[in-house]
Amino acid sequence: AQSVTQLGSHVSVSEGALVLLRCNYSSSVPPYLFWYVQYPNQGLQLLLKYTSAATLVKGINGFEAEFKKSETSFHLTKPSAHMSDAAEYFCAVSDQGGSEKLVFGKGTKLTVNP
Amino acid sequence: DSGVTQTPKHLITATGQRVTLRCSPRSGDLSVYWYQQSLDQGLQFLIQYYNGEERAKGNILERFSAQQFPDLHSELNLSSLELGDSALYFCASSVGLAAPYEQYFGPGTRLTVT
Repeated sequence: AQSVTQLGSHVSVSEGALVLLRCNYSSSVPPYLFWYVQYPNQGLQLLLKYTSAATLVKGINGFEAEFKKSETSFHLTKPSAHMSDAAEYFCAVSDQGGSEKLVFGKGTKLTVNP
Repeated sequence: DSGVTQTPKHLITATGQRVTLRCSPRSGDLSVYWYQQSLDQGLQFLIQYYNGEERAKGNILERFSAQQFPDLHSELNLSSLELGDSALYFCASSVGLAAPYEQYFGPGTRLTVT
């Protein structure tokens, strides 16, 4: 069964600092991987997705993630944090075999300090 | 704005009652997914419909049921409500049947059972 582990339920960075949110997955087949962001009182918005076309995936708002098969990881990064990045971030996995459901991690709440 | 609409935004009801949550997918999307987000369980997939047919089931209780109508909107019915059913219920839609089609999330319905 697929699973996703997000290390760190809370991450705090200073404005302008590097953002690194960790995600490790477990899947018996090559997966599709997604990062979603949830702002307070809103639904989830897709940041980026990995579909095996390229290991380094660029998303919206300056975020990117690198798929590392050897480490079963898909960490999310942004070189310079902005106050508007404060939100909760979810990593999700879906089988390439055509499984419809997304399996989400527990989420990481990002705080950006001025 | 993802293009997915959900009504109502908030719902407060008593234990033992039945409620219906409604979702309208993005124009052109045939798949509708329902997810439950709670503090203890996180984001969990409940059920998926594709063009009116049930396609996948997740951790959906027998007290819960869903359907997708010919106009592609979907309803999630929750009955014999318990305190533990209090959660955010999200609907998502996608154009295709499975990953890597992106799932677009609605703003959610916050259900409070008292």
